[in-house]
Amino acid sequence: NAGVTQTPKFQVLKTGQSMTLQCAQDMNHEYMSWYRQDPGMGLRLIHYSVGAGITDQGEVPNGYNVSRSTTEDFPLRLLSAAPSQTSVYFCASSYRNYGYTFGSGTRLTVV
Amino acid sequence: GQQVMQIPQYQHVQEGEDFTTYCNSSTTLSNIQWYKQRPGGHPVFLIQLVKSGEVKKQKRLTFQFGEAKKNSSLHITATQTTDVGTYFCAQGRGNEKLTFGTGTRLTIIP
Repeated sequence: NAGVTQTPKFQVLKTGQSMTLQCAQDMNHEYMSWYRQDPGMGLRLIHYSVGAGITDQGEVPNGYNVSRSTTEDFPLRLLSAAPSQTSVYFCASSYRNYGYTFGSGTRLTVV
Repeated sequence: GQQVMQIPQYQHVQEGEDFTTYCNSSTTLSNIQWYKQRPGGHPVFLIQLVKSGEVKKQKRLTFQFGEAKKNSSLHITATQTTDVGTYFCAQGRGNEKLTFGTGTRLTIIP
């Protein structure tokens, strides 16, 4: 099993550009979530999903969109990148009522 | 929504000393999870506590869930350099909308 795979690992965007961060898991997990982690800070929930076709907002959803068309994939779209979105983004997945498995992260810089 | 406060924010200990981090909530929690993040790494799930007063051990790590299910603690006995990292508690109803505490960064002085 590959676990949770995030691509790309690094990305530099110009202000106003859009892009999609990819996340895939091969563990047949129902739940998937996106977090951002700013330097020296904790993890803040952006969006989450409890199954294919179901998504909901987390603590900091503005400027991001998600979709969950399959159990395996949960892409995160930045609509119009801003410097405030410079962060490390983690995707995570889990079974119901168990701990989350995290991907290795995408380090995003918006200039 | 529910928020958990985690203290201390930083802890520096001599190798071999004990370490404890605490999570506190103003409301009753359905469960609490603990994660460890090494510097430059991603969070790794350690354990989940569900029952009031629950205590679980993993080698030198002891996890407790308060009787009122409003607080939790992680205690490490005789710290080693491999314990370096940030320890997070996290809570969510079932496993939906899992939100994290602010974390405690542990550094070890050899």
